[in-house]
Amino acid sequence: GAVVSQHPSWVICKSGTSVKIECRSLDFQATTMFWYRQFPKQSLMLMATSNEGSKATYEQGVEKDKFLINHASLTLSTLTVTSAHPEDSSFYICSWGGYTEAFFGQGTRLTVV
Amino acid sequence: AQKVTQAQTEISVVEKEDVTLDCVYETRDTTYYLFWYKQPPSGELVFLIRRNSFDEQNEISGRYSWNFQKSTSSFNFTITASQVVDSAVYFCALSEASPHKLSFGAGTTVTVRA
Repeated sequence: GAVVSQHPSWVICKSGTSVKIECRSLDFQATTMFWYRQFPKQSLMLMATSNEGSKATYEQGVEKDKFLINHASLTLSTLTVTSAHPEDSSFYICSWGGYTEAFFGQGTRLTVV
Repeated sequence: AQKVTQAQTEISVVEKEDVTLDCVYETRDTTYYLFWYKQPPSGELVFLIRRNSFDEQNEISGRYSWNFQKSTSSFNFTITASQVVDSAVYFCALSEASPHKLSFGAGTTVTVRA
């Protein structure tokens, strides 16, 4: 299957700072990206969908000004959590939307202290 | 409305027992895709299977098997002769389109005791 590289794997940051998470496809190109969030002991919930060259579409309840998505190219997407707060502590995982399969990154565990 | 229901929150078994995880889905589309993923404590999602709505054949892969029944909107997953390494959270997911945007069930935590 396709390889998706997501980093960092984990990050601890201070409240009020911003954190950038990168998601890179290593062996294929795709126009569509999905970002999911998973709170402890909960399921994965879709945050946003982005297409290369256009603005991301955010799910209801997700603040677009807080979670900035940059779909820079067909192989790179970034999620920036701006002015992070402890309630943003979560597991973030990206997925490149394939037509035969969904390809997930390894995930990033964010802890805001 | 929740599209994927995994009614079992936690299952605990002794090694070598069989485990069946239930998944019930809801969709109005005639074309859709169903997935199962394993999430070990490290967090990454391990792809187990993808099934499209036109393929109702059951599938077996080693100790894993899947039973897809459109009549009951279910896509159940069985682990035969469970092992400690099978301990993880298992998610059932539904995609109603391509590229695949997934709606996940709540997950079932499987604990296999030696």
